[in-house]
Amino acid sequence: DTEVTQTPKHLVMGMTNKKSLKCEQHMGHRAMYWYKQKAKKPPELMFVYSYEKLSINESVPSRFSPECPNSSLLNLHLHALQPEDSALYLCASSHGTSGRKTQYFGPGTRLLVL
Amino acid sequence: GQSLEQPSEVTAVEGAIVQINCTYQTSGFYGLSWYQQHDGGAPTFLSYNALDGLEETGRFSSFLSRSDSYGYLLLQELQMKDSASYFCAVDTGRRALTFGSGTRLQVQP
Repeated sequence: DTEVTQTPKHLVMGMTNKKSLKCEQHMGHRAMYWYKQKAKKPPELMFVYSYEKLSINESVPSRFSPECPNSSLLNLHLHALQPEDSALYLCASSHGTSGRKTQYFGPGTRLLVL
Repeated sequence: GQSLEQPSEVTAVEGAIVQINCTYQTSGFYGLSWYQQHDGGAPTFLSYNALDGLEETGRFSSFLSRSDSYGYLLLQELQMKDSASYFCAVDTGRRALTFGSGTRLQVQP
């Protein structure tokens, strides 16, 4: 099983809402990632978790709050987002954080902030 | 800072061969990866080069020259399904990949 699943597929939220994105993998990977991708742009790294501990935060605004409850799950809690936060949010996982390790991406959550 | 340069768009016909170049300037370098992303889809891993030379995987090959800070992805026997965006990504050793801006490949019949 080389699948990373993400829910929901689509999300529309207002600027005052609180919502969460979920990501799950059962490949035994110990590194998990959140990326943000705007149309026709590359994925931009947001957070990296290694062995369930946050190892990289790319200066992401605090309205995005990641959580790794266990080795298979990764959440991204959203609060008071801005319209410019509308994007595709991708989760990925890999065996380790070494760049030689293949990253497996989920299908993403397409977020629209009104 | 980190910079990776790729052509923004490449067009080729079915059955042809196309090469997508990537030049990089990064503060560290351990290897170069290539990912494919279809419209509306997730990026999928194609290849990884840590050493100079050519790596071949079926119709796709990837090349790296560390001394030139340069790599390329070679796609042979192009098929319509190869129409997608292709990203090079550098492993700088900081436990995450830095992606290039992406090359949109259009394969025409």
